[in-house]
Amino acid sequence: QKEVEQNSGPLSVPEGAIASLNCTYSDRGSQSFFWYRQYSGKSPELIMFIYSNGDKEDGRFTAQLNKASQYVSLLIRDSQPSDSATYLCAVKSPIRGNNDMRFGAGTRLTVKP
Amino acid sequence: GAVVSQHPSRVICKSGTSVKIECRSLDFQATTMFWYRQFPKQSLMLMATSNEGSKATYEQGVEKDKFLINHASLTLSTLTVTSAHPEDSSFYICSARGPLAGGRLYFGPGTRLTVT
Repeated sequence: QKEVEQNSGPLSVPEGAIASLNCTYSDRGSQSFFWYRQYSGKSPELIMFIYSNGDKEDGRFTAQLNKASQYVSLLIRDSQPSDSATYLCAVKSPIRGNNDMRFGAGTRLTVKP
Repeated sequence: GAVVSQHPSRVICKSGTSVKIECRSLDFQATTMFWYRQFPKQSLMLMATSNEGSKATYEQGVEKDKFLINHASLTLSTLTVTSAHPEDSSFYICSARGPLAGGRLYFGPGTRLTVT
C-alpha cells in the first residue's frame, strides 16, 4: 500500500463546475496536509494546507480533512480552464525526522471550456 | 511567502560531462533541502535529502557518487550530476522547508537538464 494515494485521473470537469480531488494516507500519525498544484513543465506550488479536522476555505479552494478516515480532499469551486494542472497531495508525519513529507502521484485535472 | 530559486533553469550538456545545479532559499534559512527528479508525465521522485553541514541522505536506488549533493550553507544546496548520460535528462527540482510552523515545503522553479 502506498503511503499517500491519489486517483491519477485524468479528472475532467466542465468550466464552472466543482472539481473534487481526493487523497488517502496510511500513517495515522500524520499531522499536516498539503495540496500542491503543478502545471505542465513547471514545479509544484503550494495552494492549501490543513492541520485540523474539518474544512478550510481559501477563495475557490476548500480543503477537507478527516483524520479518522485518513482522508483529505480538495474542492475547487467554479473551476476555470486555468485550474487545469496536476494536483499533488502531500502528508507530513512527525516521526520520520527530516524526510517527513510524502507525496501522492498526483491527479491530473482538466477543466473544459 | 518563502522563495526558493534554482540555477540554471535549463542546461544542455554533452554526455560524459558534469553539471552543477544550485538551489537557494532567498529569504529564509533552510537547514534541510530536498532534491527531486521528474520525468515527463510522471510523478515527483525524491532523490535525496540535503542537510546543512552533514552528508546527504539518498533514497534507495539513487547513486550518491553520481549525484553529488553539497549543502554548505543555510541558504544553498547544490546537486552535481557527474558523468552525465542521456538517460539523466530530466526535470530536477529542489525544495526547502519554510520558516513557518507546520514545515511546509517550497519548491524551486526546476532545472531542465538535457544530455546529448
